[in-house]
Amino acid sequence: AQSVTQLGSHVSVSEGALVLLRCNYSSSVPPYLFWYVQYPNQGLQLLLKYTSAATLVKGINGFEAEFKKSETSFHLTKPSAHMSDAAEYFCAVSGPGGGADGLTFGKGTHLIIQP
Amino acid sequence: DSGVTQTPKHLITATGQRVTLRCSPRSGDLSVYWYQQSLDQGLQFLIQYYNGEERAKGNILERFSAQQFPDLHSELNLSSLELGDSALYFCASSPGGLAVETQYFGPGTRLLVL
Repeated sequence: AQSVTQLGSHVSVSEGALVLLRCNYSSSVPPYLFWYVQYPNQGLQLLLKYTSAATLVKGINGFEAEFKKSETSFHLTKPSAHMSDAAEYFCAVSGPGGGADGLTFGKGTHLIIQP
Repeated sequence: DSGVTQTPKHLITATGQRVTLRCSPRSGDLSVYWYQQSLDQGLQFLIQYYNGEERAKGNILERFSAQQFPDLHSELNLSSLELGDSALYFCASSPGGLAVETQYFGPGTRLLVL
């Protein structure tokens, strides 16, 4: 069974500082990995996804993530935090082989931006 | 705006009751997913439909059921409601229901069971 672990339920950074949100996955086969963002009282919006095409994935709003198979990680980064980045971030995994089974989500990380 | 619509936005009901949540996928998407988001369980996959047929089941209770209609909209039926069913229910859609595809999420239906 696949699983995702997000280290840190809350992360606080200063505006302009580096954002690093950690995600580790467990999967018996190379997975597809996703980062979603959820703003208050809204649905989830895709930031970026890894589908084995390239290990460094660039997404929207200046975010990027690097797939590291040896570390089973897919950490999300942004060089300079902006106040508008304050939100809940979810890492998720889905299976390969064209299968279904939905997304398996981590518990989420609440990103707080200090002025 | 993801293009996925869900109604109603909010629902307040009593224990033991039955409710129906509705979802319209993005134009052209054949697959619909249902998720439950609660404080204690987080985001959990419930069930997936593809072009009217059930494709996968996750952590869906027997009291819950879903269906996808010929026009591709989907309904999630929750019956014999309990306090613990209070949660945010999301619908998502994707073009072909494949694991590699992006799932587009609706704004959710917030259910409160009193």
